Amino acid sequence: NAGVTQTPKFQVLKTGQSMTLQCAQDMNHEYMSWYRQDPGMGLRLIHYSVGAGITDQGEVPNGYNVSRSTTEDFPLRLLSAAPSQTSVYFCASSYSGTGVNSPLHFGNGTRLTVT
Amino acid sequence: DQQVKQNSPSLSVQEGRISILNCDYTNSMFDYFLWYKKYPAEGPTFLISISSIKDKNEDGRFTVFLNKSAKHLSLHIVPSQPGDSAVYFCAASAKIGETSGSRLTFGEGTQLTVNP
Repeated sequence: NAGVTQTPKFQVLKTGQSMTLQCAQDMNHEYMSWYRQDPGMGLRLIHYSVGAGITDQGEVPNGYNVSRSTTEDFPLRLLSAAPSQTSVYFCASSYSGTGVNSPLHFGNGTRLTVT
Repeated sequence: DQQVKQNSPSLSVQEGRISILNCDYTNSMFDYFLWYKKYPAEGPTFLISISSIKDKNEDGRFTVFLNKSAKHLSLHIVPSQPGDSAVYFCAASAKIGETSGSRLTFGEGTQLTVNP
């Protein structure tokens, strides 16, 4: 059982380049989300989705786009990379929201460096 | 504003002793609290949770305590083992609305080191 799969594991971008971080889950989870982890700041929510066709902004959405065309996939797009987007990105999913009996399952992360 | 705070960046304990990790929150709308554990180069994994209507939840060596009046929760690990060495994140969930679902807010994390 693969769980939550993120690709690539590592990426280096130049300022201004664009790219898409891929996230796929095989658990038929309705809820998916993207977080970034920075030293001393924990995990901060970028965007989330409560089901196919529905997305919403989190705490730090600027510079990122998402879409949810299928239940399985939730890609994160960086439109024009900036050094401030250097971070470790985690995708997570759950059966239904973040409430009782629905803990998030995380992927292993994508480490992104923007030079 | 940081709605979930873990004030101790690191904690070191001896094997076999108790580890106590602390977390404070400010938002009264949080209705569910969780602890996640993270090893290097891996994603966080769910450890234990507690609903806001309870004050204690136990699972093996792990116990979470919730003090709603103080807006404080803690994770106790007894006895601590070297394999428990990891970063521990406290997280809190709040509903956003009927159609927007819920969101999880994380603390900064505490690095626990258990020495043999």
